[in-house]
Amino acid sequence: DTAVSQTPKYLVTQMGNDKSIKCEQNLGHDTMYWYKQDSKKFLKIMFSYNNKELIINETVPNRFSPKSPDKAHLNLHINSLELGDSAVYFCASSHLAGQGNSPLHFGNGTRLTVT
Amino acid sequence: SQQGEEDPQALSIQEGENATMNCSYKTSINNLQWYRQNSGRGLVHLILIRSNEREKHSGRLRVTLDTSKKSSSLLITASRAADTASYFCATVPQISGNTGKLIFGQGTTLQVKP
Repeated sequence: DTAVSQTPKYLVTQMGNDKSIKCEQNLGHDTMYWYKQDSKKFLKIMFSYNNKELIINETVPNRFSPKSPDKAHLNLHINSLELGDSAVYFCASSHLAGQGNSPLHFGNGTRLTVT
Repeated sequence: SQQGEEDPQALSIQEGENATMNCSYKTSINNLQWYRQNSGRGLVHLILIRSNEREKHSGRLRVTLDTSKKSSSLLITASRAADTASYFCATVPQISGNTGKLIFGQGTTLQVKP
């Protein structure tokens, strides 16, 4: 009964390929996020959806496209993968309370390696 | 730019000792949160402190917040080997409005030796 689950856990692919990462949460949260963690463990927000509506879109290359078919799912599609895309990608979810006071629940990450 | 910075970057202590980690941030915040990340796993929320609070406790964890200095500290008392992990502070800047945008520091890697 994992709360936030991501698939796959590991993804190894070649430059130029297109890949997707899926995320699902069963916590009943209304907001989902994608974070990228680099090799130095720095976590940076990429996107956030609230009730299927995009509310945060950081400076991310447009090769990255999030898709939220419903409140419980937020997928990340990456086109034309580059070496610099290698990182661990985390999905998270929360209730979007006023002033962002709700803690995030994270998945266990997808380690993407681009060769 | 990155909102939170943590100090030290790495900390190694013996089991039973206390561990203190510090976090500094740059802009006014709504709240500050601390998370733990075990190797190969996602982040786990530990504690949230609002901007109008100065101190908060949860079990062996004690968090302080000084908004005048834009800093926070996390104290883990009587550490255990199982506390070995990376610890991150994260802030919700006031300027982010109601988006829930959480900005993370680079973390402190804590090693507790048995």
